[in-house]
Amino acid sequence: KQEVTQIPAALSVPEGENLVLNCSFTDSAIYNLQWFRQDPGKGLTSLLLIQSSQREQTSGRLNASLDKSSGRSTLYIAASQPGDSATYLCAVPRDGQNFVFGPGTRLSVLP
Amino acid sequence: DTGVSQNPRHKITKRGQNVTFRCDPISEHNRLYWYRQTLGQGPEFLTYFQNEAQLEKSRLLSDRFSAERPKGSFSTLEIQRTEQGDSAMYLCAYTPGEWAGYTFGSGTRLTVV
Repeated sequence: KQEVTQIPAALSVPEGENLVLNCSFTDSAIYNLQWFRQDPGKGLTSLLLIQSSQREQTSGRLNASLDKSSGRSTLYIAASQPGDSATYLCAVPRDGQNFVFGPGTRLSVLP
Repeated sequence: DTGVSQNPRHKITKRGQNVTFRCDPISEHNRLYWYRQTLGQGPEFLTYFQNEAQLEKSRLLSDRFSAERPKGSFSTLEIQRTEQGDSAMYLCAYTPGEWAGYTFGSGTRLTVV
């Protein structure tokens, strides 16, 4: 059974800091992992999709890495801005049919 | 524009009433998913369709819930005899294939009073 955890549950940092969000999953037999952003009361916006054959993906100030063997992924945010404040969720496939989410990390970037 | 349209955006209903939500993905002939999210939690899987066929349903999908996807295009999720515990954000997502990742709609927020 695939289970996903995310650490930390919440994070508050001053503007400009670099930060790392962590995602762990129990079943390493995945074909990809996806990071999402969710603003309060809104739907999910896809940030990065990492295929199992890749080790990392980059988009602007975001970099996500994937280590299947250890069941871990990290999302690195460089030079954080107040506009980055949101909840960040990772999701991995389960049984090849649907996908399961972690509980999310709630990020606050203070000006 | 996320590529997935969900209506309505918000719904307030009295306990015991029936409600129906709609999801319109940008393209047909793909997988369409329904998820439910309560405050402070990650989304939880409800059900999914491959074209018009409903292939899997979660234990969360009680007998009061029914989902359809006629013709493999838009999908509807109906909740009968709503309960206060049904209050949540209902999210729709689609994918052309697992390799492409998933695209979510903006969700429908249901409040049962």
